[in-house]
Amino acid sequence: AQSVTQLGSHVSVSEGALVLLRCNYSSSVPPYLFWYVQYPNQGLQLLLKYTTGATLVKGINGFEAEFKKSETSFHLTKPSAHMSDAAEYFCAVSESGGSNYKLTFGKGTLLTVNP
Amino acid sequence: SAVISQKPSRDICQRGTSLTIQCQVDSQVTMMFWYRQQPGQSLTLIATANQGSEATYESGFVIDKFPISRPNLTFSTLTVSNMSPEDSSIYLCSVSPGGSNQPQHFGDGTRLSIL
Repeated sequence: AQSVTQLGSHVSVSEGALVLLRCNYSSSVPPYLFWYVQYPNQGLQLLLKYTTGATLVKGINGFEAEFKKSETSFHLTKPSAHMSDAAEYFCAVSESGGSNYKLTFGKGTLLTVNP
Repeated sequence: SAVISQKPSRDICQRGTSLTIQCQVDSQVTMMFWYRQQPGQSLTLIATANQGSEATYESGFVIDKFPISRPNLTFSTLTVSNMSPEDSSIYLCSVSPGGSNQPQHFGDGTRLSIL
């Protein structure tokens, strides 16, 4: 079984500061990893994904994440926060191979950006 | 990515009634999923909608409560039956071309309140 832990249900940063949202996973097989963002009254939008290859992946809106197998982590970062980044962020994992396409989500981290 | 339309976007219903939510995709997709997002919570997979056969339900969800149809590769419905206040949630449809390395893309969700 796979699981996802997002440390910090609420993260608050100042505009222009570094954003770091933490995600750790457990999986019995090599995972595929995803970050989604949910703005108020909207569905989920894919930010970035890791499947294979380069462990540092770049996504939309200046976000990036690094897959660290030894730490079972996939933390999301952005060098400089913008007010428009305020939203809920979800980390998700699926299992590679087979026919199991199920996504398991973390509990989410609400990002607040202060002026 | 696919454009996903969900209807209705929100509704307020009386307890004991049923509501059918529609999910329309602008292209044929292999996989369609239905999720529930309870207030302040993460997403929980209800079921995988299979074209031409019965949906595959996750533990804790049953067909009598959440009947699902998928008549073709671009459309699915989820019915929430005999609703109670505990069913107040956001219900989201997602699609994937298939393969656990492929991200799921989400509609904007249906915000459901039960009085």
